[in-house]
Amino acid sequence: SAVISQKPSRDICQRGTSLTIQCQVDSQVTMMFWYRQQPGQSLTLIATANQGSEATYESGFVIDKFPISRPNLTFSTLTVSNMSPEDSSIYLCSVEISAKTEAFFGQGTRLTVV
Amino acid sequence: KQEVTQIPAALSVPEGENLVLNCSFTDSAIYNLQWFRQDPGKGLTSLLLIQSSQREQTSGRLNASLDKSSGRSTLYIAASQPGDSATYLCAVIGKDSGGSNYKLTFGKGTLLTVNP
Repeated sequence: SAVISQKPSRDICQRGTSLTIQCQVDSQVTMMFWYRQQPGQSLTLIATANQGSEATYESGFVIDKFPISRPNLTFSTLTVSNMSPEDSSIYLCSVEISAKTEAFFGQGTRLTVV
Repeated sequence: KQEVTQIPAALSVPEGENLVLNCSFTDSAIYNLQWFRQDPGKGLTSLLLIQSSQREQTSGRLNASLDKSSGRSTLYIAASQPGDSATYLCAVIGKDSGGSNYKLTFGKGTLLTVNP
């Protein structure tokens, strides 16, 4: 199993600013994932972050808007840049030990952009 | 492209009732299926994981089944309690569109309310 700490748990931000969300895992993992959950919707994968390489972004998400860092095997950050009210969502960090084991999630960051 | 559908979207039951939540997926080439619970504004808590070779998994009052060939899974909750009130999400793990990495695809969830 894995314990994931995500910070901040929530924030209210002004439009045009940026917010960096941190994700810390209690064990070394190869792959970390960032998801967005818009109000009333399910989770959508933003990108996959592997240590030592560029993040892989899903269709509709770009690095300029959602830059990701993965400096080591236990930590990652997601930045939401130049925010607008449409970016108001819950952002979640996840890790999977392998394709055959459970996915574990952080407690999420509830972002409101005003 | 994998699509996951959950029915019903919302369910309200009296305390003590047994209930079934449904999940269907369009691409049967999955590695596993996972059920999660999400409380309002919070992250996801893993409930049960079913490997693609398995038919069901049980944990306490929860039982999840998987019929991979028909693309269906059910989550059975016995003797429901008010504390079970939450959104229940189904997710399948399979290969991404490029075929080289794997990814989770989520349903939209079932909002369960258990009334005392």
